[in-house]
Amino acid sequence: AQTVTQSQPEMSVQEAETVTLSCTYDTSESDYYLFWYKQPPSRQMILVIRQEAYKQQNATENRFSVNFQKAAKSFSLKISDSQLGDAAMYFCAYRGYIEIQGAQKLVFGQGTRLTINP
Amino acid sequence: NAGVMQNPRHLVRRRGQEARLRCSPMKGHSHVYWYRQLPEEGLKFMVYLQKENIIDESGMPKERFSAEFPKEGPSILRIQQVVRGDSAAYFCASSELGTATEAFFGQGTRLTVV
Repeated sequence: AQTVTQSQPEMSVQEAETVTLSCTYDTSESDYYLFWYKQPPSRQMILVIRQEAYKQQNATENRFSVNFQKAAKSFSLKISDSQLGDAAMYFCAYRGYIEIQGAQKLVFGQGTRLTINP
Repeated sequence: NAGVMQNPRHLVRRRGQEARLRCSPMKGHSHVYWYRQLPEEGLKFMVYLQKENIIDESGMPKERFSAEFPKEGPSILRIQQVVRGDSAAYFCASSELGTATEAFFGQGTRLTVV
């Protein structure tokens, strides 16, 4: 079974600085998707960024980028120029690629609470 | 195009009562997923449904929990004889296809069992 591990329960960063959130995962599949979700106090799950495992290029969305190391099974999220609105819980998630029963579900890490200091 | 709608947002039940959580997927979406989030934890998959079919219920507790997604109307997650340990946030997500790379989440229902 796939597992996702976020080893940093909490992180803090000064406003306008850069922060990196760590995520490792375990899978025997070669093709899959990885995601970072943001959960603010409103509880809404917001997709931040997505990476297809078959793509070597790291995904980027404005101030958010990932460092995807497939061999190391590592998928870290970098937030540049941190803003107060970035404060939230961040969850790393894994989803299988193959269309088999169970492949459609997301497997989440435990989350990292990010605090932005003004 | 409204997003995934869950209701109620908050639900309080006494031990032994039944809880019914509703999820209306996004327009055009026929695949629904339910997740549970215990306090200070990540979301855990419970069940994946298509219209009138349960595709994967590997995350559902064996007793007291059931889910349905009828041909008409919202998907329902039902918890019978609730216990304090059922207190959690329950999230629904929907996608257009089962193999879609992105599922859209609702805002969740926070269930409190007193």
